[in-house]
Amino acid sequence: SQTIHQWPATLVQPVGSPLSLECTVEGTSNPNLYWYRQAAGRGLQLLFYSVGIGQISSEVPQNLSASRPQDRQFILSSKKLLLSDSGFYLCAWGQGNYQPQHFGDGTRLSIL
Amino acid sequence: QQPVQSPQAVILREGEDAVINCSSSKALYSVHWYRQKHGEAPVFLMILLKGGEQKGHDKISASFNEKKQQSSLYLTASQLSYSGTYFCGTPNSGGGADGLTFGKGTHLIIQP
Repeated sequence: SQTIHQWPATLVQPVGSPLSLECTVEGTSNPNLYWYRQAAGRGLQLLFYSVGIGQISSEVPQNLSASRPQDRQFILSSKKLLLSDSGFYLCAWGQGNYQPQHFGDGTRLSIL
Repeated sequence: QQPVQSPQAVILREGEDAVINCSSSKALYSVHWYRQKHGEAPVFLMILLKGGEQKGHDKISASFNEKKQQSSLYLTASQLSYSGTYFCGTPNSGGGADGLTFGKGTHLIIQP
């Protein structure tokens, strides 16, 4: 069966520090991968998606970036975090159109 | 465009029924439904495809009217475990391989 792993589960970072969140999927090949962000008490906002290695599409202009160095690995990064980057970051995978997206357990990021 | 969900919140007694609505201003080919419990990641419930189909999962069912660009989620004889926030997600294009745009969510509280 397929599983998705995200780490870390919780992260507290100072403003201006770098960020790296990692997500890996097991049990499937060539998945579509997604990064969503959920601000406190809000809905989910799509940040990036990828349909293959090295292919990244950005949905929202921001100081975040994403990379997909391997088929089942998706990384979310920032060079300098802002206070507004706080939130619950969720990685998800899917197998294409009209297929469900399955979410990892998320990373709760607090910026001080 | 973000789909609009109604109501924003519902409080029910165990055993009562609830309906959650999701409407979009753009043409839809599918609608995805998720439930999120407090502090956890969203969990996939079902996908509705165009054609006016209905789907069911235990005592949770849904309908999709693509002409009206609306979907409704029906929770029958609600159980305590149904508590959480329900989100509808609409594909950014076509079938959703390029990600989903989620509504703001409907908070459902089931009281014993």
